[in-house]
Amino acid sequence: DGGITQSPKYLFRKEGQNVTLSCEQNLNHDAMYWYRQDPGQGLRLIYYSQIVNDFQKGDIAEGYSVSREKKESFPLTVTSAQKNPTAFYLCASKWLSGNTIYFGEGSWLTVV
Amino acid sequence: SQQGEEDPQALSIQEGENATMNCSYKTSINNLQWYRQNSGRGLVHLILIRSNEREKHSGRLRVTLDTSKKSSSLLITASRAADTASYFCATDAKGGGGSNYKLTFGKGTLLTVNP
Repeated sequence: DGGITQSPKYLFRKEGQNVTLSCEQNLNHDAMYWYRQDPGQGLRLIYYSQIVNDFQKGDIAEGYSVSREKKESFPLTVTSAQKNPTAFYLCASKWLSGNTIYFGEGSWLTVV
Repeated sequence: SQQGEEDPQALSIQEGENATMNCSYKTSINNLQWYRQNSGRGLVHLILIRSNEREKHSGRLRVTLDTSKKSSSLLITASRAADTASYFCATDAKGGGGSNYKLTFGKGTLLTVNP
């Protein structure tokens, strides 16, 4: 099936540890995005990438890192520098010529 | 920064009633979109309205856009319990196409439709 796959769905991390969230899409989309959502809040843009080997910071990039080595993959690393990492993380993608963004099912990250 | 702000934050209605949600934004836009999110799930695109359009329909959805007031509304007619979800407006800033394209989301309206 075509779509955006995020894994894992639930992840627990100890303070001081880095963790990587996976995002894979088989829609042949050019652009990919990572958003963070806190309970009862809207989405805030962390990073986005329009093309392989290139990405831009969003509004809240501090404490996060990404890579875009393949068109279909855009992993997000939450580093120990992110002070409040507990949140719901959403990956999304779209064709460069389109306006609609398609979302994955999200990953819950909890720091314990 | 969050461009769109939805109003109300929460809305509770009975099945069969209409639900209206509003969105205000700050800067000039190319398009405004509405998305739906079921609890703990990803967002799903509902409808897009371009800056030169004033009204658009899709099934039970009706969206209006007033660029002079920088506001939009989403009307869901004859609501069903399955419409229970959070609804978000999203905007892309004018001039922000191509490699600069990004959507900015509001905080959403939580709609509860009671059977």
